[in-house]
Amino acid sequence: GNSVTQMEGPVTLSEEAFLTINCTYTATGYPSLFWYVQYPGEGLQLLLKATKADDKGSNKGFEATYRKETTSFHLEKGSVQVSDSAVYFCALSGRSSASKIIFGSGTRLSIRP
Amino acid sequence: KAGVTQTPRYLIKTRGQQVTLSCSPISGHRSVSWYQQTPGQGLQFLFEYFSETQRNKGNFPGRFSGRQFSNSRSEMNVSTLELGDSALYLCASSWDSQPNQPQHFGDGTRLSIL
Repeated sequence: GNSVTQMEGPVTLSEEAFLTINCTYTATGYPSLFWYVQYPGEGLQLLLKATKADDKGSNKGFEATYRKETTSFHLEKGSVQVSDSAVYFCALSGRSSASKIIFGSGTRLSIRP
Repeated sequence: KAGVTQTPRYLIKTRGQQVTLSCSPISGHRSVSWYQQTPGQGLQFLFEYFSETQRNKGNFPGRFSGRQFSNSRSEMNVSTLELGDSALYLCASSWDSQPNQPQHFGDGTRLSIL
């Protein structure tokens, strides 16, 4: 079945550092891929998405490219801020209407001032 | 535009009781999904409703049930509560149930079982 594996946290970085959170997936066919972010005390918010190979999703300085050859969708940001501290979830959804979204285990990111 | 609203935000129950949680989706959204979030198991899919019909179901026991009303509002019910049911329960809505539709989440109901 479909699955998502993402890098375990917690990840702690200094402000303005470069961020990469790894995400790989297993799926039949061509799933849609997502990154969600969860701030303390809140639900998840969609950060970005990509629906086909080589698509690049981007939002708020974050980027991720759908790499079919490596079945990956790594999240990157060039210069993180304290306000980026949150838990990040990689997720996929299959192509059929019967598919449900599968979430990774989440990566907690903490940014030091 | 109002977001997804979940009520109540916090709930404390004891073992053996039952509980009903409510979710009001974004206006116009017809698909509602429920998730259980715990530190140990992460985010686990419970079920999805679309136009009052259950479209998908996760691997949870029959004690967990849900329904959706004609106005797309949804409720989930957990009967015979167990300590392990303590979790954050998240509701998410989307325009329809097509796979590339992003989900919009509420802030959740935190359920504590004593």
